[in-house]
Amino acid sequence: GAVVSQHPSWVICKSGTSVKIECRSLDFQATTMFWYRQFPKQSLMLMATSNEGSKATYEQGVEKDKFLINHASLTLSTLTVTSAHPEDSSFYICSARTSGRGQFFGPGTRLTVL
Amino acid sequence: ILNVEQSPQSLHVQEGDSTNFTCSFPSSNFYALHWYRWETAKSPEALFVMTLNGDEKKKGRISATLNTKEGYSYLYIKGSQPEDSATYLCAFIKNNYGQNFVFGPGTRLSVLP
Repeated sequence: GAVVSQHPSWVICKSGTSVKIECRSLDFQATTMFWYRQFPKQSLMLMATSNEGSKATYEQGVEKDKFLINHASLTLSTLTVTSAHPEDSSFYICSARTSGRGQFFGPGTRLTVL
Repeated sequence: ILNVEQSPQSLHVQEGDSTNFTCSFPSSNFYALHWYRWETAKSPEALFVMTLNGDEKKKGRISATLNTKEGYSYLYIKGSQPEDSATYLCAFIKNNYGQNFVFGPGTRLSVLP
């Protein structure tokens, strides 16, 4: 149990395009989902926290208009990188939390913006 | 800004060797420390959740200790096997607010057959 999937696992796009990444909790309902990114040789850094049905809370320095988060249901959260640029190339990973069971991670999405 | 550090950054050991690595974290307002094992192209897998000073936890050949007063945790692997090759992450949780994790950069372990 407690499986979190992400789609796609990798994506290459042109500068200026938008990319949507999905995070799903497959066998449990996630009250909260988190989005992280990791630049090479750096730690996973929290970008935002999203609760189902409400607006996401963004960490300092993360542009909410650039990284759109939608948490439409208890099993799905999406992160859309709008007008992606090469500096947005990174590894994006989500995690899902359910009360009493801790936090479970997806396998991540590698984004490369050309 | 909370700083969580891990050392060494990477480690190569021979099969059968025992090894250990360190996670350092702020000693104030400690709530919990998590250890994860992260293999390439897979989800990070939870190993331990440590909450009390002096905690020692064990899972097979892997064990961990916690010192919240001085702000460090050790992860030990006894008799390393090639399948132990992965990146080991620690994540610090300050207080109980939000359960937001602050991750260390990880220690990448390679076990050579």
